[in-house]
Amino acid sequence: DAGVTQSPTHLIKTRGQHVTLRCSPISGHKSVSWYQQVLGQGPQFIFQYYEKEERGRGNFPDRFSARQFPNYSSELNVNALLLGDSALYLCASSLVLAVGTDTQYFGPGTRLTVL
Amino acid sequence: GDSVTQMEGPVTLSEEAFLTINCTYTATGYPSLFWYVQYPGEGLQLLLKATKADDKGSNKGFEATYRKETTSFHLEKGSVQVSDSAVYFCALIKSGGSYIPTFGRGTSLIVHP
Repeated sequence: DAGVTQSPTHLIKTRGQHVTLRCSPISGHKSVSWYQQVLGQGPQFIFQYYEKEERGRGNFPDRFSARQFPNYSSELNVNALLLGDSALYLCASSLVLAVGTDTQYFGPGTRLTVL
Repeated sequence: GDSVTQMEGPVTLSEEAFLTINCTYTATGYPSLFWYVQYPGEGLQLLLKATKADDKGSNKGFEATYRKETTSFHLEKGSVQVSDSAVYFCALIKSGGSYIPTFGRGTSLIVHP
């Protein structure tokens, strides 16, 4: 079975531009979460969606938004890009939201560079 | 708030050496604890987990025991291989509420032949 897939793999943008990152969860998984991983740091939670509804939001500005589609795939949008948005953006999927009994599976990430 | 503290890296070992990567946490209640591994150029993979005190998670020769009295979840392996070279992340998820993990900064492991 295919794992979590993300596109694109790499992306270079300039300050002020907009970017859309895409994620396809493992088949049958209904929850998708997004993380930002700055070089040398652990992942920071951005958003969580379950059954197409937002279930959690991390401490990120309103420039960051996301949505989940009926097929459970997801998009992360970032407006007015800043240099500090340069990072690896990870998507993770899980069957449900049950803490301790469910596991998040991570995709390979999208490397965003803002110049 | 919740936090996870890992030992600074890089940890550099020779093949077949014993590995310990320390992880301590701060959280209210009874969190679930996880170790993830990230190989170069890849996303995170769940290595092992423990959901209650005194539980031992194990996988691929790695082990970690949930110690509530010391709020720790140290990762150990008896004999490391070159292929274990990666970055290891300790994480917690609080019981109840939303399924949002808190990650440590990661510890880089380099294993030499």
